[in-house]
Amino acid sequence: DTGVSQDPRHKITKRGQNVTFRCDPISEHNRLYWYRQTLGQGPEFLTYFQNEAQLEKSRLLSDRFSAERPKGSFSTLEIQRTEQGDSAMYLCASSLGGTMNTEAFFGQGTRLTVV
Amino acid sequence: QKEVEQNSGPLSVPEGAIASLNCTYSDRGSQSFFWYRQYSGKSPELIMFIYSNGDKEDGRFTAQLNKASQYVSLLIRDSQPSDSATYLCAVKRNRDDKIIFGKGTRLHILP
Repeated sequence: DTGVSQDPRHKITKRGQNVTFRCDPISEHNRLYWYRQTLGQGPEFLTYFQNEAQLEKSRLLSDRFSAERPKGSFSTLEIQRTEQGDSAMYLCASSLGGTMNTEAFFGQGTRLTVV
Repeated sequence: QKEVEQNSGPLSVPEGAIASLNCTYSDRGSQSFFWYRQYSGKSPELIMFIYSNGDKEDGRFTAQLNKASQYVSLLIRDSQPSDSATYLCAVKRNRDDKIIFGKGTRLHILP
C-alpha cells in the first residue's frame, strides 16, 4: 500500500465550472477526512466519513460542496459553480476509527485554482 | 476561543539550538495529540504523536503533554536548516474522532 492518494494533483478551472476530486485512503482505514488549506492557515475541517457514512459536514461549507464515499473505500469531493474563493489546497487524510489512539495520514493534496 | 491555538510565528532559532513549539486546546475530552510538519507547497507529514501526560522522545524530537493545562509542546533539539517548515498541532476529539488543526507555527532555523 502506497499511502493516501489524491487525484488530480493540480486543477485549474474557470469560475462557474464544476470540479471533482478523488481520494483513495490507506486500504484498512475506515475514517476519511477532507480538509481545505489556504496560504498561511492550518487545514480547515470540511467533512469526514466512517466507512460510507458521512459523519459531519462543516457549517462553513456552502451547499455547493458535496462529498461521497459510496463503498466505504475511495471518496470524492465535488464543488459546483466554483468561485475564486474556492482556490485552495484540498487535503484528504485517513485513519483507523473506533480505536482511540490512531493518527491520520495525508495525501499529497489537490491544488485548485479558480480563474 | 479556537479549538486549537498556536502562535503563528515566525519563530527564528539558530542552527544547533532547541526549538520550542507550543499549542493549547479547548476540548478537555481530547485524548490524542499530533504534530505534523509541512513544507511549503507540500502536504502535512506526521512527525510525533502523544496520548499520555508527560514527555515522549523520538530522536531529536520530544513531545510534551499536560492535559490538566490543556497544553502540548514540541521540542526540536540540535535544530537543522531542514527543520525550517510550518509545524501543525492537531487534536483528535475522543467523542467523535474529529481531528482539528491549529493554524501552524512557522519555524525558521538560522544557519
